[in-house]
Amino acid sequence: GAVVSQHPSWVICKSGTSVKIECRSLDFQATTMFWYRQFPKQSLMLMATSNEGSKATYEQGVEKDKFLINHASLTLSTLTVTSAHPEDSSFYICSARARIYSAKNIQYFGAGTRLSVL
Amino acid sequence: GDSVTQMEGPVTLSEEAFLTINCTYTATGYPSLFWYVQYPGEGLQLLLKATKADDKGSNKGFEATYRKETTSFHLEKGSVQVSDSAVYFCALNLGGGGADGLTFGKGTHLIIQP
Repeated sequence: GAVVSQHPSWVICKSGTSVKIECRSLDFQATTMFWYRQFPKQSLMLMATSNEGSKATYEQGVEKDKFLINHASLTLSTLTVTSAHPEDSSFYICSARARIYSAKNIQYFGAGTRLSVL
Repeated sequence: GDSVTQMEGPVTLSEEAFLTINCTYTATGYPSLFWYVQYPGEGLQLLLKATKADDKGSNKGFEATYRKETTSFHLEKGSVQVSDSAVYFCALNLGGGGADGLTFGKGTHLIIQP
């Protein structure tokens, strides 16, 4: 089946530093990747939609200068949390939508990255 | 805006019990509906989906029917197993081609005891 790899799975950083999270579709091409954020005991909240070769579309309330998204190829999207602060500590999850028409409405998810900012 | 409401957990059942996890939604258009499952340490996996009213999605003994009149998509399984212990998320999106991100419920943690 379709596999999405997310790296790292857990990262601890100091306040003020930047952290990059990678999301890769391992065995399929993804025209679109999505980034979600999950707070404890809360639902996943969509942060942004990333299309290969174009700028990401951010949801209302998400700071695009804070959360930089790059989707350089059909198999890789990155999320960089810039100048991280403790309030950015959260669980970040990516998903990828397959390019194949029959599976177009299905998103495949990575295992998530837990970010802890000290 | 669009939203999904599902019963809060944890839900604890004995093996072979009947399972129902309620899910209702609010949407401006005609959404596709999904159930995702997350096992410990793994990413969310699509369990089943339905794209129009009265469709029934089914997989691994689980099933859910898209009820437009009650805006619901309740998840059911006739006889649960310990291996079904996981967190279950109900979700919707409006993009028929999957262009939109998903709107999720808060998730229901299911614990099955032997």
